[in-house]
Amino acid sequence: EVQLVQSGGGLVQPGRSLRLSCEASGFTFDDYAMHWVRQVPGKGLEWVSSLTWNSAHTTYADSVKGRFTISRDNARNSLYLQMSSLTTEDTAFYYCVKDAEFDNSGYFEYWGQGTLVTVSS
Amino acid sequence: DIVLTQSPGTLSLSPGERATLSCRASQTVHSSYLAWYQQKPGQAPRLVIYGASSRATGIPDRFKGTGSGTDFTLTINGVEPEDFAVYYCQQYGFSLYTFGQGTKLEIK
Repeated sequence: EVQLVQSGGGLVQPGRSLRLSCEASGFTFDDYAMHWVRQVPGKGLEWVSSLTWNSAHTTYADSVKGRFTISRDNARNSLYLQMSSLTTEDTAFYYCVKDAEFDNSGYFEYWGQGTLVTVSS
Repeated sequence: DIVLTQSPGTLSLSPGERATLSCRASQTVHSSYLAWYQQKPGQAPRLVIYGASSRATGIPDRFKGTGSGTDFTLTINGVEPEDFAVYYCQQYGFSLYTFGQGTKLEIK
């Protein structure tokens, strides 16, 4: 069974940084691309960032480019999102998502439970 | 960026009826890169359809995805009580992913 267990969310002040983690199990982690998708409470879904199986290729939404960094540690079966210069606009549930392929299949196969990041003074 | 527009915003149906959800793209979407997700309150989204018409693992055959180019449809034949949720379409193109704003399928 695919499991994506997320941690690292919480309350953070504007301008500060936060790191999200996602520990994967139930599949061969280093065979798949991974993503982060976020959702403002009560609103729609927004893709944040993607990373190929070997970390060779990363992509970011314009809204986070230059502020967020996606990374993975295949030895630890873990995905990360380092978020800096946070603003209130970054307040959202953040989902760790598994791809169906090693590169980008074009869709999001399995989702973590989500972790809430609240940016507020 | 490709913009996806879903309609209707809310669809009110009784169990057993057919649900037809629309997703229209501002530019042509490759059919391989069009997906649908179901999200229930307090839960993460769940993949329903990928590649415009392929059902994800565990999705019953009452769910059907069709369409090509700029017009895509998710049909649920005989809506069951567990199907009431918000549905999002999503596309991948030019190394970017975008979602529609969602259609809420509610019990009439």
